[in-house]
Amino acid sequence: GDSVTQMEGPVTLSEEAFLTINCTYTATGYPSLFWYVQYPGEGLQLLLKATKADDKGSNKGFEATYRKETTSFHLEKGSVQVSDSAVYFCALRPIITGGFKTIFGAGTRLFVKA
Amino acid sequence: GAGVSQSPSNKVTEKGKDVELRCDPISGHTALYWYRQSLGQGLEFLIYFQGNSAPDKSGLPSDRFSAERTGGSVSTLTIQRTQQEDSAVYLCASSSGLATTGELFFGEGSRLTVL
Repeated sequence: GDSVTQMEGPVTLSEEAFLTINCTYTATGYPSLFWYVQYPGEGLQLLLKATKADDKGSNKGFEATYRKETTSFHLEKGSVQVSDSAVYFCALRPIITGGFKTIFGAGTRLFVKA
Repeated sequence: GAGVSQSPSNKVTEKGKDVELRCDPISGHTALYWYRQSLGQGLEFLIYFQGNSAPDKSGLPSDRFSAERTGGSVSTLTIQRTQQEDSAVYLCASSSGLATTGELFFGEGSRLTVL
């Protein structure tokens, strides 16, 4: 079945460090791909998305490129801030008849130290 | 409404009791989802409603769990004879349906503690 695998956390970085959180997926068809973020004490919210191969989603300095050949959607940011500390979830939504539920990875907790 | 609303925000119950959790999705959203987030775990899919179609119940962990959606809007998740392993945050989300790329809008969740 469809699934999402993302790197285990926690990830601890110093402020201004480069961030990569790996995400790979297994799906039939051509899913839409998402990164959601959950800040401490808050609900999940969409960070960025990409709907077809080679699309790049970007928001708040974060980027992820939909790589069909490697079935990946890695999240990157060039310079993290303390305020980026959160749990990040990679997710996919299959675009096939009869099933549209969104499937999430296990989440990766990021700590950024000042 | 302005966002997805869930109630109660916190529920403490005794083992064996039944609980009901409510979700009021964004007005006009035809798709509604329930997920469960246990401590240190990811999001576990429970059930998905899309318009008037039969719900996808494939994620419900046991027959103690059920959900309904009345009038295509408000949804209630019911857990019967609660067990301690049911303790988790239950998240509801809605989206605008089939013809979109499917961004989910989440509520803040209902935290269930079973003693």
